[in-house]
Amino acid sequence: GAVVSQHPSRVICKSGTSVKIECRSLDFQATTMFWYRQFPKQSLMLMATSNEGSKATYEQGVEKDKFLINHASLTLSTLTVTSAHPEDSSFYICSARANAPKKLFFGSGTQLSVL
Amino acid sequence: AQSVTQLGSHVSVSEGALVLLRCNYSSSVPPYLFWYVQYPNQGLQLLLKYTSAATLVKGINGFEAEFKKSETSFHLTKPSAHMSDAAEYFCAVSEGPGNQFYFGTGTSLTVIP
Repeated sequence: GAVVSQHPSRVICKSGTSVKIECRSLDFQATTMFWYRQFPKQSLMLMATSNEGSKATYEQGVEKDKFLINHASLTLSTLTVTSAHPEDSSFYICSARANAPKKLFFGSGTQLSVL
Repeated sequence: AQSVTQLGSHVSVSEGALVLLRCNYSSSVPPYLFWYVQYPNQGLQLLLKYTSAATLVKGINGFEAEFKKSETSFHLTKPSAHMSDAAEYFCAVSEGPGNQFYFGTGTSLTVIP
């Protein structure tokens, strides 16, 4: 079946630094990818929709200048958490949309811890 | 608009007992419904999905769910709980194949020996 690779699976960084998370569709082209965020003991909330070759669409309340999304190719979307703070510590999951057949596949997630 | 409500943020069952996790949905179009399981510090694993075919859906690890349109429900069941079933379970709805998911708040399942 289709596979979505998300890297890194776990990252610890210092406050004020930036962290990049990659989401790759390994055996299909994904014109659309979604980024979700999960706080401890809570559900997954959609942060943004990433479309290849265009600007991401952010959900209400998500700072686009803080969470930079780049979808430069049909198999790769990146989420960069800029100037990370401890409150950004969370579990981030991406999903990629395959077109034939239309289906969503999830990455394995990235646990971000900001010290 | 789409939304999911999971009743009971925490459910405890004895090993060997019936597991019932509740999910009600709201959707303006015929929904696609999913159940995912998440083990600690891991990603999501698809348990089963309903995509407008048979209303009783069987998934992995002995789980099944029944789509009831009249009740707008998609409850997850398993006849006999195992210790390994302890995890967080999420119900999700989407408008169709490849559309974004809307997740419920999750139910934490504890299995008591």
